[in-house]
Amino acid sequence: DIVVTQSPDSLAVSLGERATINCKSSQSVLSSSNNKNFLAWYQKKPGQPPRLLIYWASTRESGVPDRFRGSGSGTDFTLTISGLQAEDVAVYYCHQYYDSHTFGQGTKLEIK
Amino acid sequence: EVQLVESGGALVQPGGSLRLSCAASGFTFSAYSMNWVRQAPGKGLEWVSYISGSGSATYYADSVKGRFTISTDTAKRSLHLQMNSLRVEDTGVYYCARGDFAYSSFWRYWGQGTLVTVSS
Repeated sequence: DIVVTQSPDSLAVSLGERATINCKSSQSVLSSSNNKNFLAWYQKKPGQPPRLLIYWASTRESGVPDRFRGSGSGTDFTLTISGLQAEDVAVYYCHQYYDSHTFGQGTKLEIK
Repeated sequence: EVQLVESGGALVQPGGSLRLSCAASGFTFSAYSMNWVRQAPGKGLEWVSYISGSGSATYYADSVKGRFTISTDTAKRSLHLQMNSLRVEDTGVYYCARGDFAYSSFWRYWGQGTLVTVSS
């Protein structure tokens, strides 16, 4: 099974500043057949279902603000939130869908 | 508009059974794969099970294999999860989620979730 590890577990960032969340998979999630990374990012707020932010590692979902950016390839990925807003407080999860499905443990983002 | 609405969550004793349902609307139900994903209290997200649009392919997480059964009723546009031999660690919010592709897919649409509590 592919193990997905996020860092840090929690993060406090000032409003307007940048937040960076890392995600590392135990095996590459890059497909040689379509050259896509099978990696997504979700935002989870209490009492709400997960919200898809990024898929194929760097494709922003429709309606997601452009301050959210996904990057990386192979085994190492990053979610960057630029110009942090109060509504970005949430837990963020990366999800590999290359081989079955596994999530990172989540990163709790708070305002400093 | 795509809508997924779960139901069936309840308090059940260890060893008991429960059947969850997810009513789908706003899309051609048989054209998309469906999944169950859960979140235990204070914990992260865990994929539970997958079923293809045709219903011919199903997959399960090791933690539920042999105890849970996923199924669909295309005529009623509904997804189900039959949960038997429930354990305390099965407690959590269960979400249904639609896949854009087959098994290897991210999930764009999610229901609001239904709470399952396994406790004596």
